Amino acid sequence: AQTVTQSQPEMSVQEAETVTLSCTYDTSESDYYLFWYKQPPSRQMILVIRQEAYKQQNATENRFSVNFQKAAKSFSLKISDSQLGDAAMYFCARLRGGGADGLTFGKGTHLIIQP
Amino acid sequence: SQTIHQWPATLVQPVGSPLSLECTVEGTSNPNLYWYRQAAGRGLQLLFYSVGIGQISSEVPQNLSASRPQDRQFILSSKKLLLSDSGFYLCAWSRGWNEQYFGPGTRLTVT
Repeated sequence: AQTVTQSQPEMSVQEAETVTLSCTYDTSESDYYLFWYKQPPSRQMILVIRQEAYKQQNATENRFSVNFQKAAKSFSLKISDSQLGDAAMYFCARLRGGGADGLTFGKGTHLIIQP
Repeated sequence: SQTIHQWPATLVQPVGSPLSLECTVEGTSNPNLYWYRQAAGRGLQLLFYSVGIGQISSEVPQNLSASRPQDRQFILSSKKLLLSDSGFYLCAWSRGWNEQYFGPGTRLTVT
């Protein structure tokens, strides 16, 4: 099975500081998509950022950026200037290219923001 | 803009009872639709996906089934619930091979 692994069950960061969440994945494909989703206590899944595997440039969305290392199959999320509202579960996910298949998710990282 | 609805928001059902969860999408046509389940403290597991009316693909064999009677309606069903069916059920939609957008979810407790 092609898996997504998040090795950090929980992370804690001081408000206004930077934190990096790790994700590695397994795939035999050259074309695929990677995502980070945020799940706050409401449990609504919210898209944070996406990365196409064929793009070498790392995606950025405001305070959120990724470090995509295709050869290493690594896809980490960096959150800068952490805010209290960033506290949530963060899930890394992979979508196979070329089809409408569903996402394969990691088990998530619980991010705690210390005021 | 597109909106995705799920109902009910919460449900408590006894073992052996039937189940019907509904998901509808507004503001788009011919979306890909998905059902996921999230067990307590775990990630999401894909259950079913559909690329069109009447077209259902199952990822995990179990006592659940899905149907897509209309373009923007996706239904998750069971004839007899098991305790292990408890969890948080999320519906999602996408356009082609792009990011998926999730509904608010249904919390199912089987007693």
